[in-house]
Amino acid sequence: DQQVKQNSPSLSVQEGRISILNCDYTNSMFDYFLWYKKYPAEGPTFLISISSIKDKNEDGRFTVFLNKSAKHLSLHIVPSQPGDSAVYFCADSGGATNKLIFGTGTLLAVQP
Amino acid sequence: DADVTQTPRNRITKTGKRIMLECSQTKGHDRMYWYRQDPGLGLRLIYYSFDVKDINKGEISDGYSVSRQAQAKFSLSLESAIPNQTALYFCATSDPGGYEAFFGQGTRLTVV
Repeated sequence: DQQVKQNSPSLSVQEGRISILNCDYTNSMFDYFLWYKKYPAEGPTFLISISSIKDKNEDGRFTVFLNKSAKHLSLHIVPSQPGDSAVYFCADSGGATNKLIFGTGTLLAVQP
Repeated sequence: DADVTQTPRNRITKTGKRIMLECSQTKGHDRMYWYRQDPGLGLRLIYYSFDVKDINKGEISDGYSVSRQAQAKFSLSLESAIPNQTALYFCATSDPGGYEAFFGQGTRLTVV
């Protein structure tokens, strides 16, 4: 069964420090994993993705790491900025089913 | 104009009433999705469609129905609304090649 879990409902970090958001998944099929960012009163927006054949993908301040043996991925934001304060969702593209499934989200607060 | 437009943005309705949420997109994507967001539960998939003739149930389809009127339009109906369907509803589209989903701004539905 395709599931995505984010066990930390919230995270608070100081501006300039690293933010690390975590996600666990159950699917074993070839997938893309994605991170979305959501501000209040707006729809989620795509942030970064990683193919299940890779271990790392980097885009500016954002890096996603994939540990396939542990079925775990993490999003690193360095350095964190107050504008990064939002809810972050990880998602599993669903492989052949393409059933895009999301986690429960982590609320990141970056303190100035 | 937004790539994914949801109407209405806000709606209050009474228990037992039928209500339709509409979604239209200008991305030219074949895939469309309906999600609901609840505090602590993240984004849960209600229905998804990969083309006009393809409709699939998601994680929480009970109490909902959908209609894919055209490639660009995907509507969600609550045949007889109940209070626990009070939530924020999001429509999304995606391209088969990219996996990235584009979301509307959401419809806040309150059932009283």
